[in-house]
Amino acid sequence: AQSVAQPEDQVNVAEGNPLTVKCTYSVSGNPYLFWYVQYPNRGLQFLLKYITGDNLVKGSYGFEAEFNKSQTSFHLKKPSALVSDSALYFCAVSFSGSARQLTFGSGTQLTVLP
Amino acid sequence: EAQVTQNPRYLITVTGKKLTVTCSQNMNHEYMSWYRQDPGLGLRQIYYSMNVEVTDKGDVPEGYKVSRKEKRNFPLILESPSPNQTSLYFCASSLSGTGGDGYTFGSGTRLTVV
Repeated sequence: AQSVAQPEDQVNVAEGNPLTVKCTYSVSGNPYLFWYVQYPNRGLQFLLKYITGDNLVKGSYGFEAEFNKSQTSFHLKKPSALVSDSALYFCAVSFSGSARQLTFGSGTQLTVLP
Repeated sequence: EAQVTQNPRYLITVTGKKLTVTCSQNMNHEYMSWYRQDPGLGLRQIYYSMNVEVTDKGDVPEGYKVSRKEKRNFPLILESPSPNQTSLYFCASSLSGTGGDGYTFGSGTRLTVV
């Protein structure tokens, strides 16, 4: 079975500071890893994904994530946070050949303080 | 514009009154799925469909039905809604069932059962 853990329900960061939203996963086989963002009263929007290749993945809105196989982690990062980055962030995992597609974490509410 | 369209956006109903939430995608995606989102639980998969006439249960299928008679449509049916089905529902589609494509999400349906 595949699973995702987002250990922090809430992350607060000051505008201009770097931010990190943590994600760890468990999956049999090679993982496919995703980050999605949800703004209030909106659906989920794709940010970035890791399938294979370079462990550092760059995505939309200046976000990036680093795949760490030994620590089974896929933390989301941004060098300089904006107030507009405040939203709910979801990590998700799948693996090659999965008919069940994505399993989501419980979400992390990011608040960027002006 | 490539999109997943859900209707209605908001719905208040009474216990036991059958309802259908529609979902349609215009991207010729093979894979479609329904999720419910509840605070602290993230997104949990209700049902998914690999293609026309092929559907299967997700993690929380009890109390729900689906059908996939056409590739573009994947309605979610609640035959006898109960208050514990009050939730935010998302339909999503993906190009294929290989696990690596990620999802395109609809805008969500907020259902309240009283």
